[in-house]
Amino acid sequence: DTEVTQTPKHLVMGMTNKKSLKCEQHMGHRAMYWYKQKAKKPPELMFVYSYEKLSINESVPSRFSPECPNSSLLNLHLHALQPEDSALYLCASSHLDMGLAGGNEQFFGPGTRLTVL
Amino acid sequence: AQSVAQPEDQVNVAEGNPLTVKCTYSVSGNPYLFWYVQYPNRGLQFLLKYITGDNLVKGSYGFEAEFNKSQTSFHLKKPSALVSDSALYFCAVRDSRRSQGNLIFGKGTKLSVKP
Repeated sequence: DTEVTQTPKHLVMGMTNKKSLKCEQHMGHRAMYWYKQKAKKPPELMFVYSYEKLSINESVPSRFSPECPNSSLLNLHLHALQPEDSALYLCASSHLDMGLAGGNEQFFGPGTRLTVL
Repeated sequence: AQSVAQPEDQVNVAEGNPLTVKCTYSVSGNPYLFWYVQYPNRGLQFLLKYITGDNLVKGSYGFEAEFNKSQTSFHLKKPSALVSDSALYFCAVRDSRRSQGNLIFGKGTKLSVKP
């Protein structure tokens, strides 16, 4: 299985709602990532998990709350979002790099298209 | 600073002609370079990477890329373009400042292949 799956594919939510995005992989990868992508722009890193522990948080607002319950799953909990948070949210996974070296490619899911009203 | 630049917003090619999508990089230390493709409303698909070794890297779907250290470039190429190659292409470099380096992406180049 060389696939990263994401649910839901589309999500529309109001600014007072609480929702969650889910990501799953069964490739044995121990690094998982959340990216945010605006239309016709490159993905921007939000969070990185290594061995199920948060290793990088790119100063993301607290209304985004990541969670990695096990080595195959990654969640992104959303609360009190703003319309400018509307974007494609991409999950990715990879084997862990060896320290500062290494070039393991990341495998991306299809994304969740989020619209905040 | 680690960065990649894709100087062209769009590349137009006729089907059957060779294509080149340009990428230049700026890194400290050894560069780990990647190309990804994104079709509309889809995630990114890995095409190829350069870590070390031969400067010509072959990847998926007939794509290849040439690593040129003196010109700090990593251009993506294909000998004969297909209409189905039309998509958004991203060059990326691994952020080697971090022990679990994320990818730093270029702005993307839209490839349009006309029949």
